[in-house]
Amino acid sequence: DAGVIQSPRHEVTEMGQEVTLRCKPISGHDYLFWYRQTMMRGLELLIYFNNNVPIDDSGMPEDRFSAKMPNASFSTLKIQPSEPRDSAVYFCASSFGHPNTEAFFGQGTRLTVV
Amino acid sequence: GENVEQHPSTLSVQEGDSAVIKCTYSDSASNYFPWYKQELGKRPQLIIDIRSNVGEKKDQRIAVTLNKTAKHFSLHITETQPEDSAVYFCAAHNDYKLSFGAGTTVTVRA
Repeated sequence: DAGVIQSPRHEVTEMGQEVTLRCKPISGHDYLFWYRQTMMRGLELLIYFNNNVPIDDSGMPEDRFSAKMPNASFSTLKIQPSEPRDSAVYFCASSFGHPNTEAFFGQGTRLTVV
Repeated sequence: GENVEQHPSTLSVQEGDSAVIKCTYSDSASNYFPWYKQELGKRPQLIIDIRSNVGEKKDQRIAVTLNKTAKHFSLHITETQPEDSAVYFCAAHNDYKLSFGAGTTVTVRA
């Protein structure tokens, strides 16, 4: 397995534009997590899914953020409209079984909103 | 929710010396404590983890200890090498989610 795959690796967009980040979890994993990493706030959990169902989205900063998981092999994180303070590295991670098992991270998407 | 505090934020050690990173957590229901290593520009990767029914775990030069009563756990790296230079994150997991510490930047001086 190639691991968790995220795209794009880098995204530069103008303020106000819609941004969509994509994630393909490891095949067979039933938990998927979206994290945001910044210098100021570290690694923050935004939302996680179990068997494609959103379980906890309390970390989603505001209504501009939304996440979907239409099937077991694909998830998106959308920001609309984007703002400069959304600039960060966004990681997707997946795990198998109960959530307190190893989470495998993707390479991340570095988002810059100008 | 869970609150994980990690110290120190930066750590510089001479090659061959030991490095110790300490974390505390707030939620007594937390039962899984992984440690992740993140090299510059790369993804976090698990290096060792410990569950609440274990007090200590070792893997070659890395060891983790857990004190559930005091709600703290520590990472110990012995005989440090230049490739140990990275950011290390502790985390605590209850039944719902994983909460990360702020990270420790470890620099191993040759």
